[in-house]
Amino acid sequence: DTEVTQTPKHLVMGMTNKKSLKCEQHMGHRAMYWYKQKAKKPPELMFVYSYEKLSINESVPSRFSPECPNSSLLNLHLHALQPEDSALYLCASSQVARGEAFFGQGTRLTVV
Amino acid sequence: SQQGEEDPQALSIQEGENATMNCSYKTSINNLQWYRQNSGRGLVHLILIRSNEREKHSGRLRVTLDTSKKSSSLLITASRAADTASYFCATAGTGGFKTIFGAGTRLFVKA
Repeated sequence: DTEVTQTPKHLVMGMTNKKSLKCEQHMGHRAMYWYKQKAKKPPELMFVYSYEKLSINESVPSRFSPECPNSSLLNLHLHALQPEDSALYLCASSQVARGEAFFGQGTRLTVV
Repeated sequence: SQQGEEDPQALSIQEGENATMNCSYKTSINNLQWYRQNSGRGLVHLILIRSNEREKHSGRLRVTLDTSKKSSSLLITASRAADTASYFCATAGTGGFKTIFGAGTRLFVKA
């Protein structure tokens, strides 16, 4: 199984809502990532987990809250988002940090 | 920033032609990776080249790395319409866990 599964594929949420994005991999990878991508732009790194510990937070606003419940799962909790947070959110994993990364298909988030 | 910068930003070629994309970066790297992205969905890893390697091949792909010039190139030979996508280089630094993506090249292969 070489897949990274992200749910949901699409999400529309209001600025007062609380929602969560989920990511799952069963490749035994010990590094997991969240990226944000705007249209026609490269993915921007948000968070890196290594061995279930948060290793990097790229100065992401606190309205985004990552969680790594176990080595296979990665969540991104969303609260009080702004319209400018609308983007494609990509999860990825790699055997070790900085290695070949496998990406999920992303969650296309729209904040209204 | 060690972010890669790519050129050209966009490239349009005929099927069967070769496509070359270039990536430049600013700081020391552990490795450099190339990814493909179709239609704004997930990225697919193409190839990883380590800082002590100069060239790597994978099928129709050839990647070179020149650490003295802090640059890399991706060559796709005998391109196909299915190669139409955005291509990104990503650099992994010598310290820490970051892999940072360059701006990308949008390749369009005409049938």
